[in-house]
Amino acid sequence: GQNIDQPTEMTATEGAIVQINCTYQTSGFNGLFWYQQHAGEAPTFLSYNVLDGLEEKGRFSSFLSRSKGYSYLLLKELQMKDSASYLCAVRSSTDSWGKLQFGAGTQVVVTP
Amino acid sequence: SQTIHQWPATLVQPVGSPLSLECTVEGTSNPNLYWYRQAAGRGLQLLFYSVGIGQISSEVPQNLSASRPQDRQFILSSKKLLLSDSGFYLCAWSRGTGANVLTFGAGSRLTVL
Repeated sequence: GQNIDQPTEMTATEGAIVQINCTYQTSGFNGLFWYQQHAGEAPTFLSYNVLDGLEEKGRFSSFLSRSKGYSYLLLKELQMKDSASYLCAVRSSTDSWGKLQFGAGTQVVVTP
Repeated sequence: SQTIHQWPATLVQPVGSPLSLECTVEGTSNPNLYWYRQAAGRGLQLLFYSVGIGQISSEVPQNLSASRPQDRQFILSSKKLLLSDSGFYLCAWSRGTGANVLTFGAGSRLTVL
């Protein structure tokens, strides 16, 4: 099975940068995903990492270190609409059809 | 483009009543389909997944069941709801190849009283 840990909540100011860390333990690794979920809504896909390194998508970047079982999601130039829960999810290499295990999510609160 | 529809969006049911949540996907064929549940303040828990018609795998023992009567239709059911069944239910699909990104439906919020 997998253990996925991420902080419960983070607060940051509009315009600032926030880094959300995620550590995982899995019997075999086959990809890490980040999702954004606004209150009462469905999660939406943000990023996917399967190789070590940084993936950048506009204001959002995601980093992966497979040897450390570690990822982070970096949110730059924070906007009020970025207030949401951010979910880290891991796919095991033993799950050939793509099942994901999700962390409990990190609630990001952006203040004016 | 692909779209996923899930209904009803909200329902309040008494303990012991039946449940049926429906999910359909458009614009793709032979998708992988999933039912997740999210309890308040908790992570997403995978309940069922399906890689084809009539092929259902259950992740956790419970009083819920799932069926896939058609390629792009996935149904979550219960004969008798429990209080603990309350939560936010999310249907999702993925291609089954490549990165296998999950795309979620809008969700169904179930309150069992």
